[in-house]
Amino acid sequence: GQNIDQPTEMTATEGAIVQINCTYQTSGFNGLFWYQQHAGEAPTFLSYNVLDGLEEKGRFSSFLSRSKGYSYLLLKELQMKDSASYLCAVGTDSWGKLQFGAGTQVVVTP
Amino acid sequence: EAGVTQFPSHSVIEKGQTVTLRCDPISGHDNLYWYRRVMGKEIKFLLHFVKESKQDESGMPNNRFLAERTGGTYSTLKVQPAELEDSGVYFCASSQVAGSADTQYFGPGTRLTVL
Repeated sequence: GQNIDQPTEMTATEGAIVQINCTYQTSGFNGLFWYQQHAGEAPTFLSYNVLDGLEEKGRFSSFLSRSKGYSYLLLKELQMKDSASYLCAVGTDSWGKLQFGAGTQVVVTP
Repeated sequence: EAGVTQFPSHSVIEKGQTVTLRCDPISGHDNLYWYRRVMGKEIKFLLHFVKESKQDESGMPNNRFLAERTGGTYSTLKVQPAELEDSGVYFCASSQVAGSADTQYFGPGTRLTVL
């Protein structure tokens, strides 16, 4: 069947590193997105991977392995404001249709 | 530049009533998407407009849901009559160019509660 799996919750200390894993099995693949969503707000775009490898953008990096159906989002030098839900989403067709995982709630503690 | 806006932010209605949700995409974005998140589940695709045309409505749950985008600007999603299972957060997103490489910008969502 089609599914996108990611952990429900992760807790880390301010200044630390957290890695959020996402595995996917979808009918189509046209890129993998990571979004950040604070409670009651809009999901905001963090990263996009369509080729295998690592994409780095400041404190955030995202990795993709298409053969393994696997991605991760790496958050470095965690700050309190990074406490949020992180959504893994796969573009399943050429028109931008997104299929989402349930999201990983990251809690950053002092 | 204004982002994607949605109205209302919250709506509480009784089963059997009608509700209309509105989405204003980013100006100039031809692509408009509707998604929904029901309690405890992931965000799911409902439909996609390219300008005023429905490109894909495969995610619409049933014929109680009607989406329109007259003139290719803002869009409305009407639920008539509403049922308890329609409760959730309805998100709208827009993008400039159709295709997975183009970022979709999301609105804050409309939280719909059907009693």
